[in-house]
Amino acid sequence: EAQVTQNPRYLITVTGKKLTVTCSQNMNHEYMSWYRQDPGLGLRQIYYSMNVEVTDKGDVPEGYKVSRKEKRNFPLILESPSPNQTSLYFCASSPRGVRFGYTFGSGTRLTVV
Amino acid sequence: GNSVTQMEGPVTLSEEAFLTINCTYTATGYPSLFWYVQYPGEGLQLLLKATKADDKGSNKGFEATYRKETTSFHLEKGSVQVSDSAVYFCALADNTDKLIFGTGTRLQVFP
Repeated sequence: EAQVTQNPRYLITVTGKKLTVTCSQNMNHEYMSWYRQDPGLGLRQIYYSMNVEVTDKGDVPEGYKVSRKEKRNFPLILESPSPNQTSLYFCASSPRGVRFGYTFGSGTRLTVV
Repeated sequence: GNSVTQMEGPVTLSEEAFLTINCTYTATGYPSLFWYVQYPGEGLQLLLKATKADDKGSNKGFEATYRKETTSFHLEKGSVQVSDSAVYFCALADNTDKLIFGTGTRLQVFP
């Protein structure tokens, strides 16, 4: 089944403890992206990647890192999480760009205390 | 800058009622337009899209027509079901390949 898989689905952590949210797609998509979803703010792009080793900042990149060493994987790294990063995170992929439409993962609900 | 404006929710309907969710956009050039749907506890799913003026996207009984003259992409369905209850997001992809979402409209359908 074609899908984007995120792990974990739920995570509670403490301020300052580094964490990684994994994202993997099995559709050979070139384009991958991370979004956060917050009430009243909709979805905001954190980072995106147009292909292996090519990443760029979205609208809200502060406090996040990404890497794209393989085509299928696009992990999101929070080096020193803070409470304002409590949010619902989505990974998404597309064949070649957003105009082709995204396939989204099921989401990761992160709480930083 | 480019933006998407959706009607505030929630929209509350009885089963088999007609649905319209309004969406208007501001963009330079020729954006592609999308509707995504988010069911409770799930990620967003692409519902339909249109890539040029006067295109009509359709899926699962939902339709939306790309109206350049009114910069709109309203979502419609002739007869909603309880299973259509979800949050609906209008979005545009601009000429820099950036996807801009509206804030979402919650639809609640009661039997």
